[in-house]
Amino acid sequence: DGGITQSPKYLFRKEGQNVTLSCEQNLNHDAMYWYRQDPGQGLRLIYYSQIVNDFQKGDIAEGYSVSREKKESFPLTVTSAQKNPTAFYLCASSITGPYGYTFGSGTRLTVV
Amino acid sequence: SQQGEEDPQALSIQEGENATMNCSYKTSINNLQWYRQNSGRGLVHLILIRSNEREKHSGRLRVTLDTSKKSSSLLITASRAADTASYFCASPNTGNQFYFGTGTSLTVIP
Repeated sequence: DGGITQSPKYLFRKEGQNVTLSCEQNLNHDAMYWYRQDPGQGLRLIYYSQIVNDFQKGDIAEGYSVSREKKESFPLTVTSAQKNPTAFYLCASSITGPYGYTFGSGTRLTVV
Repeated sequence: SQQGEEDPQALSIQEGENATMNCSYKTSINNLQWYRQNSGRGLVHLILIRSNEREKHSGRLRVTLDTSKKSSSLLITASRAADTASYFCASPNTGNQFYFGTGTSLTVIP
């Protein structure tokens, strides 16, 4: 079955550590996205990529980094520069054009 | 930002009743989408309505779009307990990035 997989489902980070969230899709979608969701809030765009080896900052990119070396993969690194990283992180993908997004099931990151 | 805003923030209804939630957006769009999110899960795409459409149906869902008022509504008819979720509208920015509103939390009481 085609889909988008995020791992891990839960992640705990000590202050000062970098952590990487995985996002893999087998839908052959060109575009991929990372969103952050805080409790009771909407989604805020962190980074997006419309093609391999290219990505753009979203509204809240500070303290995050991404790579897009393969079409299927778009990992997100939460760096120690992100001061308030505790949140629910959602990855999505889409084909180019006005079409819906397919979302992963999310990673809940907690700083301990 | 073209972030849409849903209204109301929370809605509680009895099973079998209809649920209506609204979305307003800020600038011109070529399409608008609605998504559903169950607690602790990812979002699921429900329906896309294009700017030249006024109404669209999918099963028990009915979406309307009024581009003159920059607003859209999602109607869920004959609601079920399984419809309990948060519902988001998403409007596009330049390019293919969508901005999501803060959502309407729907509770359907059995």
